[in-house]
Amino acid sequence: GAGVSQTPSNKVTEKGKYVELRCDPISGHTALYWYRQSLGQGPEFLIYFQGTGAADDSGLPNDRFFAVRPEGSVSTLKIQRTERGDSAVYLCASSLKTSASNTGELFFGEGSRLTVL
Amino acid sequence: SQQGEEDPQALSIQEGENATMNCSYKTSINNLQWYRQNSGRGLVHLILIRSNEREKHSGRLRVTLDTSKKSSSLLITASRAADTASYFCATAPRGTDSWGKFQFGAGTQVVVTP
Repeated sequence: GAGVSQTPSNKVTEKGKYVELRCDPISGHTALYWYRQSLGQGPEFLIYFQGTGAADDSGLPNDRFFAVRPEGSVSTLKIQRTERGDSAVYLCASSLKTSASNTGELFFGEGSRLTVL
Repeated sequence: SQQGEEDPQALSIQEGENATMNCSYKTSINNLQWYRQNSGRGLVHLILIRSNEREKHSGRLRVTLDTSKKSSSLLITASRAADTASYFCATAPRGTDSWGKFQFGAGTQVVVTP
């Protein structure tokens, strides 16, 4: 596709439920990132993939959060036993490559707004 | 934690005026980027400035970087109503192996009135 696609755009769930958020990056982009943005705040880094592997998952808040990218393209962010504090916009971004020699530009999707009741 | 801190938190100006916002950060960086976010949308990359650069221009945007003060400024000249958005600085800490592990500030909300 032309840009980073995220689904669903909105998700309302109940506390304790399991949620999956999907990201389809720009074709050919090897690097994929998940960020979380709370109201009135900037994006907070969660995890970064280079290809199929999670190169850095240091931003995942706890073990209820997990992300996969099995074929090096689409990624899914999985949240188990959701809590009200998980409510936020989850942003996905992709970039062409990861080195200091590139432009460093991240291409963001529109985000998935998660509301946990 | 958020490394970058934008100042001011909010800015209201009229069309044609210039808008200036600042970003301060705490650790040494490889580069600093500015992004724009329209309400309810994703972030859009505006400009990147490397740690060895002091000033950069792109259209109506001018970015400065002072590594000794650990600060950057974004100037939007001749603002338009379409410039209404939140603006974020993002830093890539020096030494990080994770290129996309940018640290964003809380943003400056800019409102441009006709």
